[in-house]
Amino acid sequence: DIQMTQSPSSLSAAVGGRITLTCRASQDISDYLAWYQQKPGKVPKLLIYAASTLQSGVPFRFSGSGFGTNFTLTISSLQPEDVATYYCQECDSVPPFTFGPGTRVDVK
Amino acid sequence: QVQLVESGGVVVQPGRSLRLSCAASGFTFRAYGMHWVRQAPDKGPEWVAFMSYDGTKKHYADSVKGRFTISRDNSKNILYLQMNSLSAEDTAVYYCAYCSAGSCYYFDFWGQGTLVTVSS
Repeated sequence: DIQMTQSPSSLSAAVGGRITLTCRASQDISDYLAWYQQKPGKVPKLLIYAASTLQSGVPFRFSGSGFGTNFTLTISSLQPEDVATYYCQECDSVPPFTFGPGTRVDVK
Repeated sequence: QVQLVESGGVVVQPGRSLRLSCAASGFTFRAYGMHWVRQAPDKGPEWVAFMSYDGTKKHYADSVKGRFTISRDNSKNILYLQMNSLSAEDTAVYYCAYCSAGSCYYFDFWGQGTLVTVSS
């Protein structure tokens, strides 16, 4: 099975700051990578799929990149409403469709 | 609009069984593969099970294989998860979810979840 790791486990940044979250897959998953945002008590929300395609309605300050085993999610200008935990998920066609452990993002 | 409404979550004793349901509306249910995803308290999501649109393909996480069974009734637009031999490690919010683009395995639609607590 593919293992997913994320770093850092948590971070805090100022409003307006630029942050980058990292996700690594234990083997090549091409661009079969999705990112989710989960706010406390809420359902996970899809932000990005196919590593870099922004889901409809997601603000343009979110962007994704990467291919193979290394991926990043960038928030170009952090907003208070972005406080959440962010998960990556490998979504290749072979189950299990593993999620990463998450990165918790706070605003200073 | 798409709606996925899970039900059936309760407090149950270890070793007992439970069946969850997910009522779907707002899309052509019979045309899409469906998934169950769970999230234990203060943990990340964990994919649990998948059933193809026509029920011919099923896949399970190793953690539930042999204990859980996914099924669907396309005439009623309902997805099920039969859970047997429950243990404390199965305590989680259970979501049904799917990918509206078709043959894809990320999840753009989720239900609100139903809480299963396994405790004596």
